[in-house]
Amino acid sequence: DGGITQSPKYLFRKEGQNVTLSCEQNLNHDAMYWYRQDPGQGLRLIYYSQIVNDFQKGDIAEGYSVSREKKESFPLTVTSAQKNPTAFYLCASTQLAQGANYGYTFGSGTRLTVV
Amino acid sequence: AQTVTQSQPEMSVQEAETVTLSCTYDTSESDYYLFWYKQPPSRQMILVIRQEAYKQQNATENRFSVNFQKAAKSFSLKISDSQLGDAAMYFCAYRRDDKIIFGKGTRLHILP
Repeated sequence: DGGITQSPKYLFRKEGQNVTLSCEQNLNHDAMYWYRQDPGQGLRLIYYSQIVNDFQKGDIAEGYSVSREKKESFPLTVTSAQKNPTAFYLCASTQLAQGANYGYTFGSGTRLTVV
Repeated sequence: AQTVTQSQPEMSVQEAETVTLSCTYDTSESDYYLFWYKQPPSRQMILVIRQEAYKQQNATENRFSVNFQKAAKSFSLKISDSQLGDAAMYFCAYRRDDKIIFGKGTRLHILP
């Protein structure tokens, strides 16, 4: 079955460490997205990518970095510069056909906790 | 900039009853798409229903239907015959081109 796989499901980070969250899709989707979810905040866009080797900052990109070396993969690194990284992170993907009414397909998320 | 507002942080409904979740959005565009997503306790985001702005007819998916008022920029979700499995966070979302913007969500409780 096609879908999006996020790993790990739970991740613990020590202060000052960088950690990388994995996101892989086999849907042949063009675009991929990273969202952060905090209680009462909804989903906030961190980064997104419409094509390999290109990506754009979302609303809360500070302290995060991404890469898009393959169409299927869009890993997110939470750097030590991110002051409050404890949150639930969701990866999503979609087609970008002109006029398409596609929503997103989501992964199952990664819960990151700073210890 | 586009925004999506869900004014009800939490709602409760008796099982088998009908409930309506509100959503308003702000945009200057005429061509866009609207969605309702459900996030149950598993936290998996599930697409419930979608609406194209150029269609006047309200979308319906089984027990879920929307009331789309384009001029008022309103997009409410009606759940009929509520079931215990409907308990979740519901997010209203707006898509234009390559990005989707989400509201802050409404937590729906189903009372047995």
